[in-house]
Amino acid sequence: DQQVKQNSPSLSVQEGRISILNCDYTNSMFDYFLWYKKYPAEGPTFLISISSIKDKNEDGRFTVFLNKSAKHLSLHIVPSQPGDSAVYFCAASGDKGSNYQLIWGAGTKLIIKP
Amino acid sequence: EAQVTQNPRYLITVTGKKLTVTCSQNMNHEYMSWYRQDPGLGLRQIYYSMNVEVTDKGDVPEGYKVSRKEKRNFPLILESPSPNQTSLYFCASSPRTGRSPLHFGNGTRLTVT
Repeated sequence: DQQVKQNSPSLSVQEGRISILNCDYTNSMFDYFLWYKKYPAEGPTFLISISSIKDKNEDGRFTVFLNKSAKHLSLHIVPSQPGDSAVYFCAASGDKGSNYQLIWGAGTKLIIKP
Repeated sequence: EAQVTQNPRYLITVTGKKLTVTCSQNMNHEYMSWYRQDPGLGLRQIYYSMNVEVTDKGDVPEGYKVSRKEKRNFPLILESPSPNQTSLYFCASSPRTGRSPLHFGNGTRLTVT
């Protein structure tokens, strides 16, 4: 059973508009969440993270929102640019008992249309 | 340049022929990890190492071995590859585990026939 789910395999957004990528998790012990971006033929690169003590973290055009009660987080990209076209992975980290290992979602392919 | 280097990038082999995928990082990171990426499943952890001579199983360790004899290198060994190990493999490192963002290599595309 997947503990981290990204239910949209792909998302298409017009350039300049907002992109919203969603991620759901089932394990209430997860307390740190990260988003990674992956271009074809490259490894994933870190984008933004959020601790469970916060409900929002912002870095330039990227904002991550965390709703602990719903076990849901989302990544907002505003405004969307062509270079944002990539696969986005959500990952969750447990506590020290799990050695802080990451559990990953299946990814969402974001396509920005010109 | 700070990087994680995996070799080879592409590998086609036959069932049962032992192979090694190398991984090296030049950032003096303590933590290293191997993942496989399969369609619809995201990244699944194979093995990880929190420091030299310390390795632990991830979620899908069957059929794989690793070693961490020195800080910079973390090779992935398939003693007897099988077709279900056909996948895209990524090595990653970070200064510490979990809470530190991972730095990934560019991947190794393995095909086992």
